[in-house]
Amino acid sequence: GAGVSQSPRYKVAKRGQDVALRCDPISGHVSLFWYQQALGQGPEFLTYFQNEAQLDKSGLPSDRFFAERPEGSVSTLKIQRTQQEDSAVYLCASSLRQGTNDGYTFGSGTRLTVV
Amino acid sequence: DQQVKQNSPSLSVQEGRISILNCDYTNSMFDYFLWYKKYPAEGPTFLISISSIKDKNEDGRFTVFLNKSAKHLSLHIVPSQPGDSAVYFCAAGGGTSYGKLTFGQGTILTVHP
Repeated sequence: GAGVSQSPRYKVAKRGQDVALRCDPISGHVSLFWYQQALGQGPEFLTYFQNEAQLDKSGLPSDRFFAERPEGSVSTLKIQRTQQEDSAVYLCASSLRQGTNDGYTFGSGTRLTVV
Repeated sequence: DQQVKQNSPSLSVQEGRISILNCDYTNSMFDYFLWYKKYPAEGPTFLISISSIKDKNEDGRFTVFLNKSAKHLSLHIVPSQPGDSAVYFCAAGGGTSYGKLTFGQGTILTVHP
């Protein structure tokens, strides 16, 4: 597709439920990022993939968060036993090259609400 | 520890006038800076960037200024248009090889007709 596609757009989860958020990056993009944006805040880095390799997961807030990109294209962010503080917009971004400082393309995000 | 700060939550400007959005950073490892624009229910869109070896970068109505000694950057929009109304995020990168960014909290810009 022409852009970064994320699904679902909205997700309501009961506390304790597991959720899976999907990201389809732009075809051929090597780099893929996940960011978390809490209400009224800027995006915060969660994790980075170069193709299928997860090179940085330092931003994942706890071991309940897990991300994968097994074939170097589609990525899934999984959150186990969701808590209310996990409520946020989860943004995926991709770029063609590693290390670009020209910005990367973000998806529209998945808004997760934990009730 | 907020390494990138946008101290003005909002800014209101008349159409045709200049909009100036400000951003401060603390980490000396940052070596490039970007501005993103975000409309409601959409992801951030890249607007303009500047490398730390420059002090100014211009693209049409948008100019970014970098003052390294003060660890301060600003985005100027001239002339402002109602379609510029959005949330603007300042972001900084550096210290990694792959483009990890640290974002500010954002400034809501409203341009009145």
